[in-house]
Amino acid sequence: QSALTQPASVSGSPGQSITISCTGTSSDVGSYNLVSWYQQHPGKAPKLMIYEGSKRPSGVSNRFSGSKSGNTASLTISGLQAEDEADYYCCSYAGSSSKDVVFGGGTKLTVL
Amino acid sequence: QVQLVQSGAEVKKPGSSVKVSCKASGGTFSSYAISWVRQAPGQGLEWMGGIIPIFGTANYAQKFQGRVTITADESTSTAYMELSSLRSEDTAVYYCARSIVVVPAAIPVIVAFDIWGQGTMVTVSS
Repeated sequence: QSALTQPASVSGSPGQSITISCTGTSSDVGSYNLVSWYQQHPGKAPKLMIYEGSKRPSGVSNRFSGSKSGNTASLTISGLQAEDEADYYCCSYAGSSSKDVVFGGGTKLTVL
Repeated sequence: QVQLVQSGAEVKKPGSSVKVSCKASGGTFSSYAISWVRQAPGQGLEWMGGIIPIFGTANYAQKFQGRVTITADESTSTAYMELSSLRSEDTAVYYCARSIVVVPAAIPVIVAFDIWGQGTMVTVSS
């Protein structure tokens, strides 16, 4: 059982927008704006897409955006493209008591 | 451009230990943190711990406390992860990753991973 809860799968058609949720607790997602998101294609290493809630690393398309409301963080992908089909993982700092970093269970995005 | 290159696949017996290396090129090794993240076959990502050389600290996930040791050799720009008392459930791909560090309350903590190694498959089997 993962510390952060994500839907197992989401899907969308090319050009549409989708949102992947990531639900934690008041001790992790709710207390800090330190959620990051990773894209992973089969057999490849993960790639950082969003960090510190809404910041995009250099080179990541502005079609990817992050936000947070309460204990739930979200990744939105606009203008879906075929190459966006991948697994997506959220991640958060879990607080000063543990100093752990926790991941969500992952969401499989299918582009129809 | 920083690159992380990991050592090759390993096959280990239950109860033994494994040590995986992660050599960095480009950038200043001592100025950034390195974490280890594993992924069991068909499963999600799991943070094991990280080292922040500039602060001289290593943090381990509670699940792996006492069983994992993460070190860094600045002279060779190489980080290491050693996992002991191996069991079949430790079969996974192990990734090293350059880590983003913030200091929310005067204590440096690892919060994200921006550059990843290619992964090392560790198989634990009798």
